[in-house]
Amino acid sequence: LAKTTQPISMDSYEGQEVNITCSHNNIATNDYITWYQQFPSQGPRFIIQGYKTKVTNEVASLFIPADRKSSTLSLPRVSLSDTAVYYCLVGVGGSYIPTFGRGTSLIVHP
Amino acid sequence: EAGVAQSPRYKIIEKRQSVAFWCNPISGHATLYWYQQILGQGPKLLIQFQNNGVVDDSQLPKDRFSAERLKGVDSTLKIQPAKLEDSAVYLCASSRGGTNEKLFFGSGTQLSVL
Repeated sequence: LAKTTQPISMDSYEGQEVNITCSHNNIATNDYITWYQQFPSQGPRFIIQGYKTKVTNEVASLFIPADRKSSTLSLPRVSLSDTAVYYCLVGVGGSYIPTFGRGTSLIVHP
Repeated sequence: EAGVAQSPRYKIIEKRQSVAFWCNPISGHATLYWYQQILGQGPKLLIQFQNNGVVDDSQLPKDRFSAERLKGVDSTLKIQPAKLEDSAVYLCASSRGGTNEKLFFGSGTQLSVL
């Protein structure tokens, strides 16, 4: 099971781009990378998933280098409502056991 | 599409009492998960069901926690007897169960053990 490492916390200001990097040095060939967002008093919510290169949706972009040992979640022009904890998970379905670490607490300041 | 339903939303009990949580996953989702989230920590998987079979329960304290998903749909998680350290949010999630399927979470049950 690939272990992930993320910064514990990050601070930003409204309108800035935020990049959160996750390290997963022992990622397996079939593993996908998935990011979740959690607001206080709510369960985590899926943001984005990718396997390699770049994935973009209406919420975020996910950058994955060729060696896939890390990934970067990019949030463009954050607002106060992006203040949340962001989790990086690595694995595949089937026998995959979704394991959450402590995540990255992002605080966006006015 | 209706989301994952959990009840109750909040529960306060005294130590050594018992408590039960209920979860109704999204219709058609084969996989159901129960997580425990202590304040300031990430969710910790307690048990994972595939239909009505257990995939993983390695972190479930089986001397006091039990869970069932008898008909492969809704599920209950029980704690008996509760300890102070069981105070946490209990999250239920479901997924279609296929490869790389994303998890959908309920709002959780916040348990306080006094």
